[in-house]
Amino acid sequence: QKEVEQNSGPLSVPEGAIASLNCTYSDRGSQSFFWYRQYSGKSPELIMFIYSNGDKEDGRFTAQLNKASQYVSLLIRDSQPSDSATYLCAVNKGANNLFFGTGTRLTVIP
Amino acid sequence: DTGVSQDPRHKITKRGQNVTFRCDPISEHNRLYWYRQTLGQGPEFLTYFQNEAQLEKSRLLSDRFSAERPKGSFSTLEIQRTEQGDSAMYLCASSDPGQGGNSPLHFGNGTRLTVT
Repeated sequence: QKEVEQNSGPLSVPEGAIASLNCTYSDRGSQSFFWYRQYSGKSPELIMFIYSNGDKEDGRFTAQLNKASQYVSLLIRDSQPSDSATYLCAVNKGANNLFFGTGTRLTVIP
Repeated sequence: DTGVSQDPRHKITKRGQNVTFRCDPISEHNRLYWYRQTLGQGPEFLTYFQNEAQLEKSRLLSDRFSAERPKGSFSTLEIQRTEQGDSAMYLCASSDPGQGGNSPLHFGNGTRLTVT
C-alpha cells in the first residue's frame, strides 16, 4: 500500500466551477498534510497545509482533513485556467520528510 | 527571502561521468532536503540535513550518491558514475525550524539531469 494515494486524473472542470481533489494516506500517525501545485516543468509550490481535523480556508482554496477516514481534500472555488496544473498531496508522519502522492492533473476549461 | 536557489538548472552528462549540484536554502531555514522526481511521479525523499548534520538518508540514495552541507548553509549533491536511470529532476527544499518536522517545505526550481 502506498503511503499517499491520489487519483492521477486528468480532472477537467469548466472555468468558474469548483474543483475537488482528493487524497488518502495509510499511516494513522501522520501529523501534517500539505497541498502543492506543480506546473509542467516547474517545481512544487506550496498552496496550503493543515494539521487539525476540519476545514481550512485561504482565498479560493479550502483544505479539508478527516483523520478518522485518513482523507485529505483540496477544493478550488471559481476555478481559473491558470489553476491548470498537477496538484500534489504530501503527508508528514512525524519523521523528517514528506511523502508525496503521484499528483492529480487538473485542467480548467475556459 | 530570496527563495531556495539551485544550480545548475539543467545538466546533460554522459553515462559514467560524475555530476554535482548545489542548493542554497532560504537563509533562516536550518533544515534542508533533497528529493528526486521522475515524470509522472511525486517527489521522492533522498536525504535531510539539520544544520550541517545529515540526519536521514533514503534507501534510494545508493552509494554513488553523496550529499554534504559543510557549514550548515548551502548543500551539494554529487552523483558518481551516473547511469541513465539517474535522469530526473533533483529538487532541493528547506523549511523553517519553528514548527519542527511539521513545517512546510519550500522547493527550489530544481536541477534537471539527463544522462545520455
